[in-house]
Amino acid sequence: EIVLTQSPGTLSLSPGERATLSCRASQSLSSGYLAWYQQRPGQAPRLLIYAASSRAAGIPDRFSGSGSGTDFILTISRLEPEDFAVYYCQRYGGSPPISFGGGTKVDIK
Amino acid sequence: QLQLQESAPGLLKPSETLSLTCTVSGDSISTDSYYWGWLRQPPGKGLEWIGSIHYRGGTTYNPSLRSRVAISVDTSKNQFSLNLNSLTAADTAVYFCARGWGIQLWMNYFDPWGRGTLVTVSS
Repeated sequence: EIVLTQSPGTLSLSPGERATLSCRASQSLSSGYLAWYQQRPGQAPRLLIYAASSRAAGIPDRFSGSGSGTDFILTISRLEPEDFAVYYCQRYGGSPPISFGGGTKVDIK
Repeated sequence: QLQLQESAPGLLKPSETLSLTCTVSGDSISTDSYYWGWLRQPPGKGLEWIGSIHYRGGTTYNPSLRSRVAISVDTSKNQFSLNLNSLTAADTAVYFCARGWGIQLWMNYFDPWGRGTLVTVSS
């Protein structure tokens, strides 16, 4: 089973700063089938990025995804107040199961 | 605009069976390009995929839950359902339904999600 490890566990930043979140897979996701979600407290996850770098409908362009193989990055170019949340990566390629990383919390410094 | 709404079973006892229904509105569940999934999140913890279904009846489950789970679809009601038996306290979680996108049943990302329903397993 492919394990996804997200780092850091918590990222403390100020509004306007750049956030860089990492998701590392224990084996190569050769298909690039990796998604990113945002989850605010008390809400369901919201899809941000799919196929490693494709932005979902309605997602602001300050969110971008990159990476391939085992290393993937979610970048938030300038943090807005509503961006302080937990972010999860999810792989959906290869053998089942579909799996998620443990999450990165972006909180206000 | 597609919306999903989970039913709300609330409190269950250990060894009982959880039955949840997801009602889909704003689009047909009988669309070849869509899949439909169940996921869960224990309080304060991360996300776990439970399983997915296609309206034609194909299903796939998380191996860790496969022996206890069944997902079905009712196209006449535009609903799909989750049954999870032999509950323990470890099954306490918020349960989400979601629409799956992808090229295969086990290769889905999910968008959108329902709001989720808290299921508590306690004696």
